[in-house]
Amino acid sequence: EIVLTQSPATLSLSPGERATLSCRASQSVSSYLAWYQQKPGQAPRLLIYDASNRATGIPARFSGSGSGTDFTLTISSLEPEDFAVYYCQQRSNWPPTFGPGTKVDIK
Amino acid sequence: EVQLVETGGGLIQPGGSLRLSCAASGFTVSSNYMSWVRQAPGKGLEWVSVIYSGGSTYYADSVKGRFTISRDNSKNTLYLQMNSLRAEDTAVYYCARDWDGYNLDWGQGTLVTVSS
Repeated sequence: EIVLTQSPATLSLSPGERATLSCRASQSVSSYLAWYQQKPGQAPRLLIYDASNRATGIPARFSGSGSGTDFTLTISSLEPEDFAVYYCQQRSNWPPTFGPGTKVDIK
Repeated sequence: EVQLVETGGGLIQPGGSLRLSCAASGFTVSSNYMSWVRQAPGKGLEWVSVIYSGGSTYYADSVKGRFTISRDNSKNTLYLQMNSLRAEDTAVYYCARDWDGYNLDWGQGTLVTVSS
């Protein structure tokens, strides 16, 4: 089973700042990595798939990069609605696995 | 518009059984890969099971032999039969429509609490 590690666990930033979230896989997942956003009391929402492709309706301030074992989710300028928990997920190897999440909270 | 509505959660004693339902609208369940993903209180996401459009099913090791995923094409509904429930199965259970191996559309979740 591929283990995903996310860092930092918590990121404290102000609106308008840039957020950089990291996801590292225990072995290569090629580009088969997604990012999800989850707000309190809500279901997760797919943001990025295949490492760098934005899902339908996702604002351009969200971008993903990386391949192999190291991936990054960047939010170029934080909006108030972006404060949430972000999870990465790999679908390269069975079973699909999620990272533990990074919480982006308001500084 | 795609909509997924889970029902069937509740409080159940250890060793008991529960069946979750996920009613879908806006698309055909049998033509899609459908998954169950769970989230223990205050914890992260854990993939539980998937059913492919062709009918093949797969399970996480933690639930294999205890949980069964199925669908009713006439009702456009996905199910998760959960037997021999344990305290560690306590979680919000989400159903999701998959796309290219990722969970694209999610329901609002249903809470299962296993406790005596």
